[in-house]
Amino acid sequence: NAGVTQTPKFRVLKTGQSMTLLCAQDMNHEYMYWYRQDPGMGLRLIHYSVGEGTTAKGEVPDGYNVSRLKKKQNFLLGLESAAPSQTSVYFCASSYEFLVSEAFFGQGTRLTVV
Amino acid sequence: AQKVTQAQTEISVVEKEDVTLDCVYETRDTTYYLFWYKQPPSGELVFLIRRNSFDEQNEISGRYSWNFQKSTSSFNFTITASQVVDSAVYFCALTGDSGGSNYKLTFGKGTLLTVNP
Repeated sequence: NAGVTQTPKFRVLKTGQSMTLLCAQDMNHEYMYWYRQDPGMGLRLIHYSVGEGTTAKGEVPDGYNVSRLKKKQNFLLGLESAAPSQTSVYFCASSYEFLVSEAFFGQGTRLTVV
Repeated sequence: AQKVTQAQTEISVVEKEDVTLDCVYETRDTTYYLFWYKQPPSGELVFLIRRNSFDEQNEISGRYSWNFQKSTSSFNFTITASQVVDSAVYFCALTGDSGGSNYKLTFGKGTLLTVNP
């Protein structure tokens, strides 16, 4: 019963480096999301996808790109040129309905950009 | 614009005490949904409850209960006879239909609950 799986769990990047966070879910959900969590800020939506091959911007999309692969279950978050302001904990989530049903979250990726 | 306020940043109680976590929301939408999520020290967020704007009935699930009052725009969460395992950050969240089907999910900043033995 994996649910939502994120990799990696921890990463340290130097400013300007790039990386990709991978999210996979086994619940056959259409809707997937990437959030970032910062101290005292709650969770903020970066990008989301309403289905295979579709993505859209959320509340804080700048500096990130996403892709929803042909395989419906995967959702990638890319940082092309990491900045210290992107130091955060990143969560992937999926849901059966768009934002109005229970969301299932991954365990998070703690990213530090130095 | 919609907003979720969790005024209590941190709460500390002793085991077996009852504790209420406050959530006040703002929205112009007629149709909206309220959520509570728990984030234990392990880090993942766990869904606790969802309420839609047309259902003001309070809900009880074991030691957990929720009080939804549209008149005061509040959706408070009470833990009865708290236990150490209840220690976590609790988030209240709101989804509203800001026109058409353009939903937006807004999280509060969370309340850190520490239950001491």
